[in-house]
Amino acid sequence: DIQMTQSPSTLSASVGDRVTITCRASQSVTYWLAWYQQKPGKAPNLLIYRASTLESGVPSRFSGSGSETEFTLTISSLQPDDFATYYCQQYSSYPYTFGQGTKLEIK
Amino acid sequence: EVQLVESGGALVQPGGSLRLSCEASGINFGTLAMSWARQPPGKGLEWVSRITVVDGTTHYADSVKGRFTISRDDSKNTLYLQMNSLRAEDSAIYYCATCSGSLDRWGQGTLVTVSS
Repeated sequence: DIQMTQSPSTLSASVGDRVTITCRASQSVTYWLAWYQQKPGKAPNLLIYRASTLESGVPSRFSGSGSETEFTLTISSLQPDDFATYYCQQYSSYPYTFGQGTKLEIK
Repeated sequence: EVQLVESGGALVQPGGSLRLSCEASGINFGTLAMSWARQPPGKGLEWVSRITVVDGTTHYADSVKGRFTISRDDSKNTLYLQMNSLRAEDSAIYYCATCSGSLDRWGQGTLVTVSS
């Protein structure tokens, strides 16, 4: 199985900051990588698929990059609504696997 | 508007069985692959299973293989997850989602608790 490792596990930042979350795969997933945002008590919401394609309706301050084994999610200017937990997920091969999550907190 | 509504979650004893349902509306259900994912309270996400459209091919996480069965009834726009031989570690919120590979649209989830 492909292991997905996110860093950091927790990130403290302020409104207006630029933040980056990293996701590493234990083997190549080419670009079959998605990012999700989850708020407490809610279902996850797809932000980015195929490593860098923004899902319809997602603000342009979110961006994704990377390939093979290393990927990043960047939020260019944090907004109050962005404080949440973020997950990466590979869908290159079964079983699909998620990273452990990165909790983005207000500093 | 896309809606996925899960149901069937309950408190069940270890070794018991449960069938979850996910009713879809606002989408062409019969053309979409679907997945189940789960999340133990306060913990991270785990993909559970996926079913395709054309030939109904199924895939499972190792943790549920041989115990869980995913199926679909396109005439009812409904996805199912039959869960047998349930264990305490199966306790979680179970989500259904449309699944092109990424999990694109999610339901609100249904809670399964396995406990004596």
